[in-house]
Amino acid sequence: DIVMTQSPDSLAVSLGERATINCKPSQSVLYSSNNKNYLAWYQQKPGQPPKLLIYWASTRESGVPDRFSGSGSGTDFTLTISSLQAEDVAVYYCQQYYTTPLTFGGGTKVEIK
Amino acid sequence: EVQLLESGGGLVQPGGSLRLSCAASGFTFSSYAMSWVRQAPGKGLEWVSAISGSGGSTYYAASLKGRFTISRDNSKNTLYLQMNSLRAEDTAVYYCAKDPGDGYNSPLNFDYWGQGTLVTVSS
Repeated sequence: DIVMTQSPDSLAVSLGERATINCKPSQSVLYSSNNKNYLAWYQQKPGQPPKLLIYWASTRESGVPDRFSGSGSGTDFTLTISSLQAEDVAVYYCQQYYTTPLTFGGGTKVEIK
Repeated sequence: EVQLLESGGGLVQPGGSLRLSCAASGFTFSSYAMSWVRQAPGKGLEWVSAISGSGGSTYYAASLKGRFTISRDNSKNTLYLQMNSLRAEDTAVYYCAKDPGDGYNSPLNFDYWGQGTLVTVSS
């Protein structure tokens, strides 16, 4: 199984500041035949189901604010919130879909400082 | 508008069985793979199982060891999860999630989620 390691477990960021979350798969999720990284990011607010933010590591889902961006390749990925808003308080998860079983990172809780 | 509505959760004794359902609407159900993802209380997300749009391919988390069976009825736009030999560690909210692809080769990610149904395994 591909183990997804997220860091940090939690972070507190001031409103308007940048938040950065890291995700490291235990093996590469870059598929060489199409040069795509099989990695997604989700946001989960309390009492709600997760919401897809980013897929193919850097493609923003329709309707997701452009302050959210994904980057990285292979075994090193980052989700960046460029200017944290109050509504961004949530837990964020990365997920690989390079192979089954599909696996998620442990989550990163983002709070307001 | 895509809607996914889970049902069938509840309290069940260890060793018991339960069947979850997910009624889908707002998209061509048979064209997309579907998955079940669970979340134990206060914990992270765990993928459980997926099924291709046609129902011809199924995928499972190895930890389930054959206790769970995923299926779908495309004529009823409904996804199912049959859960047998339930254990305390199966206690979780079970989400139904839509895949953006047909799942013929492999499931991908999850672009729509239901609100979830709580399964509690306890005596």
